[in-house]
Amino acid sequence: DAKTTQPPSMDCAEGRAANLPCNHSTISGNEYVYWYRQIHSQGPQYIIHGLKNNETNEMASLIITEDRKSSTLILPHATLRDTAVYYCIVREYGNKLVFGTGTILRVKS
Amino acid sequence: KAGVTQTPRYLIKTRGQQVTLSCSPISGHRSVSWYQQTPGQGLQFLFEYFSETQRNKGNFPGRFSGRQFSNSRSEMNVSTLELGDSALYLCASSLAWDQGWLFFGEGSRLTVL
Repeated sequence: DAKTTQPPSMDCAEGRAANLPCNHSTISGNEYVYWYRQIHSQGPQYIIHGLKNNETNEMASLIITEDRKSSTLILPHATLRDTAVYYCIVREYGNKLVFGTGTILRVKS
Repeated sequence: KAGVTQTPRYLIKTRGQQVTLSCSPISGHRSVSWYQQTPGQGLQFLFEYFSETQRNKGNFPGRFSGRQFSNSRSEMNVSTLELGDSALYLCASSLAWDQGWLFFGEGSRLTVL
C-alpha cells in the first residue's frame, strides 16, 4: 500500500501558484519523498525529490515539514500544460515506486 | 539524448495468447523497471532488473515475467492472457538500482479481447 495520502483533486488559476499537499506520516528516516506527474496517456514524469531539506529546481519547489510527516509541492506559476495527475511517493528502496491515487490538478484560464 | 523507447505502442491480443513487450532504456542507464497501469488498480510495480538480474518483484502471478539483456534492453512477457491484463505497461529506466530518479517511456497499451 502507498505510504502517502493526497487530496483527489485541486483547481488552480493559470499564472497562480499551485500548492499540492501530501501526507506521509509513517515515513522512515532514510526514505525520500518523490513527486511525479502524469499527463493524460503519457508516462509519468519526474518532478522533484527530497529527504529533509526544501528543494527547488526549474520545475517546482518541494517543502518538507521538519517532522517529515508531510510535504507540499509548489508549481510557482501554473500553466494549462501543468494539468495532470500528481503523485507523491515515498521511495523505500530500489526502484520500486508505490503509487497512490494522486491528485488531479486542473489549471483553469 | 533519446528517451526510454517502448515497442509496440499498441497491440491487441485474444485470451490465452501470449505477448512480449520491449523496452530500450536511456543510453547509460542500467536499471529497468516495469509497471502496469489500469483504471481500477492504478500504477503497480511489476519487476525491476539491474545488470541482467531481477532485483525486485511485485505481487503479480507467474504469468508475468521479464528479462534484461547485456545491453540493458529489457523485455517482459505475459503468457495465457486474461481480459484483466488489458492495461498500459510502462517501462522506466534509471542509472542504477536504488540510484537516481526514474525516466518513464510512453508505454505499450495492451488490449485483450
